[in-house]
This record gives sequence, C-alpha cells and structure tokens, in this order.
Amino acid sequence: QVLLVQSGAEVKKPGASVKVSCQASGYTFTSYGFSWVRQAPGQGLEWMGWISSYNGNTKYEEKFQGRVTITTDTSTSTAYLELRSLISNDTAVYFCARDDIVGPTQNDYWGQGTLVTVSS
Amino acid sequence: YDLIQPLSVSVSPGQTATITCSGDDLGNKYACWYQQKPGQSPVLVIYRDTNRPSGIPERFSGSNSGNTATLTISGTQTMDEADYYCQAWDSRSVAFGGGTKLTVL
Repeated sequence: QVLLVQSGAEVKKPGASVKVSCQASGYTFTSYGFSWVRQAPGQGLEWMGWISSYNGNTKYEEKFQGRVTITTDTSTSTAYLELRSLISNDTAVYFCARDDIVGPTQNDYWGQGTLVTVSS
Repeated sequence: YDLIQPLSVSVSPGQTATITCSGDDLGNKYACWYQQKPGQSPVLVIYRDTNRPSGIPERFSGSNSGNTATLTISGTQTMDEADYYCQAWDSRSVAFGGGTKLTVL
C-alpha cells in the first residue's frame, strides 16, 4: 500500500531553517510528484510548492519564492521541504502529498504531517 | 486565485449536505475536495470535479459548472462530520478554499 512517512516534530528559533523529509513506499517513486501543504493552528490548508520526482522540475507558491526549496532523492524515495528564515507565523503542520508527475493537481495520498514550531 | 467556501454547514443525519466552492471561471478548471477530521491528514473524496477515489462511499458526489463547484453528501452520517476543503489549480499555482466545517446534528 502507498505510505508517506514524514520526519518528526521540530522546534526552531526565528531566523533558522528547517528541513522536513517524506519517505515514500508502495509505488514507483519516479512516476509521481509531491506537493507540500501547510496548516497553521486552527487554520486552513496552504499550498507551498510541487516537485516532479521524474525530472526534478519544481513550482513554488509566489509568497514562498526565495525562502523554500523542495527536492527529492530517488535513491531513498524521499522528498524534502526546506524553509529558511523562519518566523513565528511559519508555525504549522507541514504535509507532503503525492501529486502528478507533470504538474500540481489533486493529492491522493498524504503524509501524517510534521509540526514545526518557531519560537524564541 | 481565491476560492470561497461557507464557513459552516449544518445537516441532520440522513439528510443531504451541500458545500459550495466559488471561484472565477472555476468551471473551466478541475476541482477536487478533501475531508479532514481533527488531528488527521486530509483525505481526497472527489477528484476531477465528479470522480470518487476507491474506498470513498457513493454518498459523496461532486459537480463543477460556471463559477461554482459543489460537494454533495447524500444520506449524511455522523461520521461525515469534518472540515471540507475544495482545491483547484492552473499551470502556475494551486489554491485551496478556506474550508467548511460540516456539523451533523
């Protein structure tokens, strides 16, 4: 069965960076992509960006441009989200989700979420 | 790209729940819907406007025309109480609606 397992909770200070991982299993990794979506406490879903696991093409939401990098490692079937220059408003649960290979679409499988807390 | 959903919808068990999602020319994009229960990850319940993923009950259905996509839950059950989010995308970006809290009482 398809599984996306994310890394554990993180606590970071303002200005720091965080890197969240998402290890996939149960399907051919390079036949799909990933989107990253975050959810602040009590708030809705916010799309951050997408990557093709086939060729590494990426698309980022404009508000995160320059502060976020999404990568994949095909040798370990793992996707990564790195977010830099953290501020308190970045406190949220970050989800990885399986996506299409050519561009962001609907997400049929989701990771369990990773809580990132930004606090001094 | 903004997608607008009602904050909340209430329905009695066994009745039909309707949740709308409005966006400029949404009918010319694909829309999908997610269900999210407290403390859980979202679950895809409708994709490409009208399609149900495997394992999603038949009582969930969707439509999309004009500026509005609609999620319909027929014969709503207490287990359907959750937050529901619509999603749409174009070549550049992805948008989520603000979410609708469905209360079954």
